[in-house]
Amino acid sequence: RKEVEQDPGPFNVPEGATVAFNCTYSNSASQSFFWYRQDCRKEPKLLMSVYSSGNEDGRFTAQLNRASQYISLLIRDSKLSDSATYLCVVNGGSSASKIIFGSGTRLSIRP
Amino acid sequence: NAGVTQTPKFRILKIGQSMTLQCTQDMNHNYMYWYRQDPGMGLKLIYYSVGAGITDKGEVPNGYNVSRSTTEDFPLRLELAAPSQTSVYFCASSYGGMDQPQHFGDGTRLSIL
Repeated sequence: RKEVEQDPGPFNVPEGATVAFNCTYSNSASQSFFWYRQDCRKEPKLLMSVYSSGNEDGRFTAQLNRASQYISLLIRDSKLSDSATYLCVVNGGSSASKIIFGSGTRLSIRP
Repeated sequence: NAGVTQTPKFRILKIGQSMTLQCTQDMNHNYMYWYRQDPGMGLKLIYYSVGAGITDKGEVPNGYNVSRSTTEDFPLRLELAAPSQTSVYFCASSYGGMDQPQHFGDGTRLSIL
């Protein structure tokens, strides 16, 4: 089992739709979690951190489920500009060598 | 605010050549990282540094070397380029520990022919 797994997609949804995707992790000792967004041929950019209590930033909501070892990202009222690859990042311990990036989920929003 | 700056943006090397990928940050971050990203894959950590004079290996360090003589700079050295090192290389930095988000440079696209 991979340490961090994401559905590669692509998810192809119409503008205005709600879309959600998950990221599972294998290390139960993982301590911090992030979602990054990566546009084609660009660098990853932080979308949001994922806290135990969950967090929301405008149309984006992130949740952490420690019991089932996954994090989720929900995008409401999707925009064309949301088209990108979404990377989950899991920090599995106290060393930077334990920072694991998922392979990403591709999202395409159609008009 | 420049953030994390990487040079060069593109480079083609011949097998066996060497080169240094430059990375500098102006945010006074202690932690710096080098990743490689192959097509359709996630980022793999090559080396990281928790401060000037301190470096450590990541998941895929073979074929690379780093140094951290200042807080700002974290160059990555390829000594004997191999086709397997064809990739996009990203440098990143973060303010605190591993629970802090990372800021990325815009990458170096490297081809080894």
